[in-house]
Amino acid sequence: GDSVIQMQGQVTLSENDFLFINCTYSTTGYPTLFWYVQYSGEGPQLLLQVTTANNKGSSRGFEATYDKGTTSFHLQKTSVQEIDSAVYYCAMRQAGTGGYKVVFGSGTRLLVSP
Amino acid sequence: GALVYQYPRRTICKSGTSMRMECQAVGFQATSVAWYRQSPQKTFELIALSTVNSAIKYEQNFTQEKFPISHPNLSFSSMTVLNAYLEDRGLYLCGARDWTNYAEQFFGPGTRLTVL
Repeated sequence: GDSVIQMQGQVTLSENDFLFINCTYSTTGYPTLFWYVQYSGEGPQLLLQVTTANNKGSSRGFEATYDKGTTSFHLQKTSVQEIDSAVYYCAMRQAGTGGYKVVFGSGTRLLVSP
Repeated sequence: GALVYQYPRRTICKSGTSMRMECQAVGFQATSVAWYRQSPQKTFELIALSTVNSAIKYEQNFTQEKFPISHPNLSFSSMTVLNAYLEDRGLYLCGARDWTNYAEQFFGPGTRLTVL
C-alpha cells in the first residue's frame, strides 16, 4: 500500500549544524510530495512541496529534491537555528476521484540547541 | 489569504459522551474537507474525506456511526466524536481545499480532545 517512511524519530543538533532528515515513499504513479512542520500545540504548516519528479523545492533555507529513482524526498538545511526546533513530517498526496488524501510519515522531531 | 479555523482549540469530555468540533475556511472555497486524527506519539491518520455534492468517504477503522461529519456549504464543516473513549484522545485536524482550481490543502490548528 501507499506509505511514507521517516526512519529518524529524533534529530539533535547544535546551531549552524547541517540538517538531513530522511524520507522515502511508496506508491504507484506520480505523487506530489510535501514537507510539513508542526510547532508545539499547533497544526502542521506546509514548509515546501514538489509536484514534478527530479525537481527541488525550497523554503526558509530548507530544501528537498523529489528523486523518483530512489523514491526519496530528503529534507536538508545547511545551517539550522534554534527556532527550527519542531516536528517535521514528510507527506505524499494521493488524488482520488473528487477528493484529496495526504499520507503522512511518522514525523522527525528536530531539537536544536543554542 | 487562505485560512482555516477550528473550534474549539481544546476540549475535555467524559468517557462515553460526545464532542462536536468545527472547521471554518476563510478566503477560499472549501470544496473538499479532510478530517485527520493525530493520536499521542503517532502521525496523522485520515478519518474521512468530504467533498461538496458527493458522499463522505470514510477510511478503514473509521465509521460514520462513530464520527458523523457535516459539510453543508463551501466554508464550513463539523465532525462529532460520538461516545468518546480514551483511545479517541488526540489532535483532530481539518484540512480544506478548493479542488476546482487545483489548490493545495490548508490545515487548521486542530482541536485537542482529552477524554477523562
